[in-house]
Amino acid sequence: QKEVEQNSGPLSVPEGAIASLNCTYSDRGSQSFFWYRQYSGKSPELIMSIYSNGDKEDGRFTAQLNKASQYVSLLIRDSQPSDSATYLCAVTSAGGTSYGKLTFGQGTILTVHP
Amino acid sequence: DAGITQSPRHKVTETGTPVTLRCHQTENHRYMYWYRQDPGHGLRLIHYSYGVKDTDKGEVSDGYSVSRSKTEDFLLTLESATSSQTSVYFCAISGDARDTQYFGPGTRLTVL
Repeated sequence: QKEVEQNSGPLSVPEGAIASLNCTYSDRGSQSFFWYRQYSGKSPELIMSIYSNGDKEDGRFTAQLNKASQYVSLLIRDSQPSDSATYLCAVTSAGGTSYGKLTFGQGTILTVHP
Repeated sequence: DAGITQSPRHKVTETGTPVTLRCHQTENHRYMYWYRQDPGHGLRLIHYSYGVKDTDKGEVSDGYSVSRSKTEDFLLTLESATSSQTSVYFCAISGDARDTQYFGPGTRLTVL
């Protein structure tokens, strides 16, 4: 069974600090990796997508992918109270008959305190 | 925001009754998905569609059926609702199997 594991939370960081969220996956055929943010009572919204090894930066967010170690992470720099949410790691093995099915981690609750 | 709506947004029903949830998209995307989200289990795939009349089962499909008669609509039916199907249901769409999935606003279903 394909599994996605996220670092256990909740994670609490002070405003302005770097928040580090981690995710490991079991399926070596995985090709697409996503980080979603979900506020309480809302639907998941995409933060970052990454498809190849290395770093991808978008504003305060950096996603890092290491396929050899089956590891993907999300760094949030200069954390703000508005970043307080649940962060979901999702993985899909595209190609063949996977049809883009996502496997989600359990989520990590992040709290940024002033 | 991706043009995805779900209806109803909230529903309370009784055990044993049939329930149909609707997902409607205006993006002309090929792929559509139904997930449920429960505390302690995260988001789990119920069924998905890769084209009109092309559907398949996901991880937790027992007790659910789906239909997709046109590109824009994907229906999820609980044939005989049980209390274990109390959950928040999300629809998602994608234009390509590798691409981002965009989620609808969700439907909160309570089965008494």
